[in-house]
Amino acid sequence: AQSVAQPEDQVNVAEGNPLTVKCTYSVSGNPYLFWYVQYPNRGLQFLLKYITGDNLVKGSYGFEAEFNKSQTSFHLKKPSALVSDSALYFCAVRDRGGANNLFFGTGTRLTVIP
Amino acid sequence: DTEVTQTPKHLVMGMTNKKSLKCEQHMGHRAMYWYKQKAKKPPELMFVYSYEKLSINESVPSRFSPECPNSSLLNLHLHALQPEDSALYLCASSQDDTFWEQYFGPGTRLTVT
Repeated sequence: AQSVAQPEDQVNVAEGNPLTVKCTYSVSGNPYLFWYVQYPNRGLQFLLKYITGDNLVKGSYGFEAEFNKSQTSFHLKKPSALVSDSALYFCAVRDRGGANNLFFGTGTRLTVIP
Repeated sequence: DTEVTQTPKHLVMGMTNKKSLKCEQHMGHRAMYWYKQKAKKPPELMFVYSYEKLSINESVPSRFSPECPNSSLLNLHLHALQPEDSALYLCASSQDDTFWEQYFGPGTRLTVT
């Protein structure tokens, strides 16, 4: 069965500091991994994905994520946080063999402090 | 145009009502999805349509009835809902049902009284 875990419900970071939002996954075989962001009362916005190739994936709004197969992790990172990055972040996984049902983590609320 | 639109934004309905949620995309995507999201929880997949055919039904109660009239439109028909069905209903689309990212609409906030 596919699953992702986001071990932190809440992450606080000062504006201008680097941020990391953690995600670990569990799938049978190689995964497709995604990061989405959700602002209050809105749908989810796609940030980036890992399908194959380079382990460092760059996405929207300056975000990037590193796929680490040995640690089964896909942490989201940004070198310098903005107050406008404050939102709810979801990691998601689907396995290569199945249909396109995404399994989402429980979400991490990021607060960037001015 | 990378937008998925949903109507209405808010809906309040009684347990005996019949209502419909609508979703539209003009990106030429051939896969469309319905998700349910409870407060402070991740989205949960309900249905997947691929090339206008229902491909996944995640054991959703029959009081929820999806419909895909054409490749741009997706409806969710609601009948005899329960208060616990109150949630944010999200529509999404993707190029097809393989590894492409999904684009989400803003959702319909449903309250069942």
